[in-house]
Amino acid sequence: DGGITQSPKYLFRKEGQNVTLSCEQNLNHDAMYWYRQDPGQGLRLIYYSQIVNDFQKGDIAEGYSVSREKKESFPLTVTSAQKNPTAFYLCASSPEQGGSETQYFGPGTRLLVL
Amino acid sequence: RKEVEQDPGPFNVPEGATVAFNCTYSNSASQSFFWYRQDCRKEPKLLMSVYSSGNEDGRFTAQLNRASQYISLLIRDSKLSDSATYLCVVNPASGGSYIPTFGRGTSLIVHP
Repeated sequence: DGGITQSPKYLFRKEGQNVTLSCEQNLNHDAMYWYRQDPGQGLRLIYYSQIVNDFQKGDIAEGYSVSREKKESFPLTVTSAQKNPTAFYLCASSPEQGGSETQYFGPGTRLLVL
Repeated sequence: RKEVEQDPGPFNVPEGATVAFNCTYSNSASQSFFWYRQDCRKEPKLLMSVYSSGNEDGRFTAQLNRASQYISLLIRDSKLSDSATYLCVVNPASGGSYIPTFGRGTSLIVHP
């Protein structure tokens, strides 16, 4: 089945630790995105990538890093510089750069700080 | 002014009721529009696209008013299973970076 997978479903981070959230898609989509959602809030864009080996900062990139070495993979690292990382992290993809295509979301990862 | 605005609700309606949500957007050059549904602790899922001529999918009707810069979602004969948060999404004009803008969502609670 085609789709987007995220792992793990739940992730616990200790103070000062970097953690990496996985996002994989087999939809052959060019564009991929990372969002953060806090309780009762909307989605805020962290990073996005419209093509392999290229990515751009979103509205709240500080304390996060990404890579896009393969078309199907867009991992997000939450670094120790992110002081309030507890949130629901959603990865999404869309078919092509530009245009009017909709986005498809993975099931999300919940990050909690110990 | 926020780019995409929605009334957060909650809208609390009985089963069988008709309920409507609006979503306003500030960029008059916006190109495409969508409604997503998000269940509690789940990812958003596409409910329907919004076309200029309006479109209907079963009990759901979406409309676009470009002059007033808003889109709407009408749900007829509400079911308990319609309880969710409904997100409005606006895509910018084509060309350049392609970053959809999400509203914060409208919460719907359908009760027996």
